[in-house]
Amino acid sequence: AQKITQTQPGMFVQEKEAVTLDCTYDTSDPSYGLFWYKQPSSGEMIFLIYQGSYDQQNATEGRYSLNFQKARKSANLVISASQLGDSAMYFCAMKELQGGSEKLVFGKGTKLTVNP
Amino acid sequence: DTEVTQTPKHLVMGMTNKKSLKCEQHMGHRAMYWYKQKAKKPPELMFVYSYEKLSINESVPSRFSPECPNSSLLNLHLHALQPEDSALYLCASSQRTGYYGYTFGSGTRLTVV
Repeated sequence: AQKITQTQPGMFVQEKEAVTLDCTYDTSDPSYGLFWYKQPSSGEMIFLIYQGSYDQQNATEGRYSLNFQKARKSANLVISASQLGDSAMYFCAMKELQGGSEKLVFGKGTKLTVNP
Repeated sequence: DTEVTQTPKHLVMGMTNKKSLKCEQHMGHRAMYWYKQKAKKPPELMFVYSYEKLSINESVPSRFSPECPNSSLLNLHLHALQPEDSALYLCASSQRTGYYGYTFGSGTRLTVV
């Protein structure tokens, strides 16, 4: 079974600064996909960024970038120029195959607080 | 339409009630999911439907009964729930081959009294 580890229960950052949220994973599959989701207090899961195991470059989406280090099995999320609206739970997730179907398996999450 | 719509947004039900949660998507996705999320925890998978057939049941108690009437609609029927079943129930959909097409609804906050 695959496993996602997020070791930071909570992180604090000043507005306009950058922050890195850690994620390590464990899988024996050569082909896999990693996701980051943002979950505000309202509850919806918002897709931020995706990295495929065969992607040659680190994924970027606006202020979000993924620091993908395959050999270390890490996929850290970098948020640049933090905004107050970035305060939320952030989940790292991985696709997992089961019985011919796919599912997302989530890490425990990191609660990010952006201070003014 | 790039949304997954869940209704109701909030639900309070007694332990003897029968209720249903509804999830709808019109993105042509052929896989749909139910997740349960307790406070301060990550979402946990309950069921996966692929091409309208149940493909994964994560040993969910029978008081939760999923139904996929068509490719756009997913229901979760609730009966004789317990207070510990109170949680946020999230629906998601994806392209059949997974990729990064997972889209989540905003969830139903369920309280069992």
